[in-house]
Amino acid sequence: DVKVTQSSRYLVKRTGEKVFLECVQDMDHENMFWYRQDPGLGLRLIYFSYDVKMKEKGDIPEGYSVSREKKERFSLILESASTNQTSMYLCASSLAAVETQYFGPGTRLLVL
Amino acid sequence: GENVEQHPSTLSVQEGDSAVIKCTYSDSASNYFPWYKQELGKRPQLIIDIRSNVGEKKDQRIAVTLNKTAKHFSLHITETQPEDSAVYFCAAVHSGNTPLVFGKGTRLSVIA
Repeated sequence: DVKVTQSSRYLVKRTGEKVFLECVQDMDHENMFWYRQDPGLGLRLIYFSYDVKMKEKGDIPEGYSVSREKKERFSLILESASTNQTSMYLCASSLAAVETQYFGPGTRLLVL
Repeated sequence: GENVEQHPSTLSVQEGDSAVIKCTYSDSASNYFPWYKQELGKRPQLIIDIRSNVGEKKDQRIAVTLNKTAKHFSLHITETQPEDSAVYFCAAVHSGNTPLVFGKGTRLSVIA
């Protein structure tokens, strides 16, 4: 059974803070993804990675960066958190682009 | 790049009735079309998918149809039950290094 975990379920940060969201998968998946989910806007792709040390920008990368030092771990970094980054953040992994994506439980981030 | 439109954004049906959610895609090279269900407070999970070499796929009360010529695919849920209430996302992708593109979601409410 695929397991995707995220470091926090809820997070409260101050404007300007550096924020790290971590995602770990245990199925040796090549592909990992970070989305943000906002009401009415669906799942918007922030960054994705198809291999260790590799990263690609998604649809809304501004204000975010990522790190993938190990195959199982994909981190999302908010360099300087802003209130408009208050959202639900979902991580996902998959074996290939045309295979099932497995999602983590999500991190609800509030930036004050 | 790929663009996926999903309709309707909200759908209410009486318990026992059928529900249909429709999606259109723009990239004729897309060949994998998954559907995800997200219950309130939970992570999205795959419920059914279809590949471009078939026109229809069924799994108990849910079915997906694909019309490659018209570039649209639909999710059909028969004999709806209250536990079908959720947000449903369609997505499309073609093999290669492009990620899944999701529709904006449909909130289905099944009224008992």
